[in-house]
Amino acid sequence: AAGVIQSPRHLIKEKRETATLKCYPIPRHDTVYWYQQGPGQDPQFLISFYEKMQSDKGSIPDRFSAQQFSDYHSELNMSSLELGDSALYFCASSLAGGDEKLFFGSGTQLSVL
Amino acid sequence: AQKITQTQPGMFVQEKEAVTLDCTYDTSDPSYGLFWYKQPSSGEMIFLIYQGSYDQQNATEGRYSLNFQKARKSANLVISASQLGDSAMYFCAMREGWTNFGNEKLTFGTGTRLTIIP
Repeated sequence: AAGVIQSPRHLIKEKRETATLKCYPIPRHDTVYWYQQGPGQDPQFLISFYEKMQSDKGSIPDRFSAQQFSDYHSELNMSSLELGDSALYFCASSLAGGDEKLFFGSGTQLSVL
Repeated sequence: AQKITQTQPGMFVQEKEAVTLDCTYDTSDPSYGLFWYKQPSSGEMIFLIYQGSYDQQNATEGRYSLNFQKARKSANLVISASQLGDSAMYFCAMREGWTNFGNEKLTFGTGTRLTIIP
């Protein structure tokens, strides 16, 4: 069965650079969630989209933005990167109001040097 | 207050034994969902099992079962006949209070690192 696809798997950036993370949800899933997991931490919710509209917002820095496109894939754009942005970034997808399960991608490991 | 509490930072269990990972939650919402995820050292987050607040029976998925005690607000994960491949970080998570589609985010506990000993 198709899963949530995230790219790239690993990303190394310098301070003050920008990064774009991509997420392709499971086919037919209309909702995408982004989470950030720092080293040794639990995942923290950043932002979500339902039917291409932002549906909820968590602790996402103003330097970050995201969107969901017409094909339901989503991108997380991160600017002015800081050392503290180094983390594992997960995307998850679900079928809103139907399937209760939230499926995660394998994550993008971002390292800011 | 913590919404999800996992009181066992680490556990060591002999292979083939059963193991129970504890999870308590805090919510005033009558409708909520509880999840368990496994995170191996490779990093991916693997869905294991789900329990809805209105489900009458405890959820089971193969070797995984969820011991749901609503009055105690606990949702412990039970793994039967543990295997070496079960060594991983385990997170309990809750979805609550969603008011519209796309507002169904999860709140995670701090996790339990399970190590299976041969």
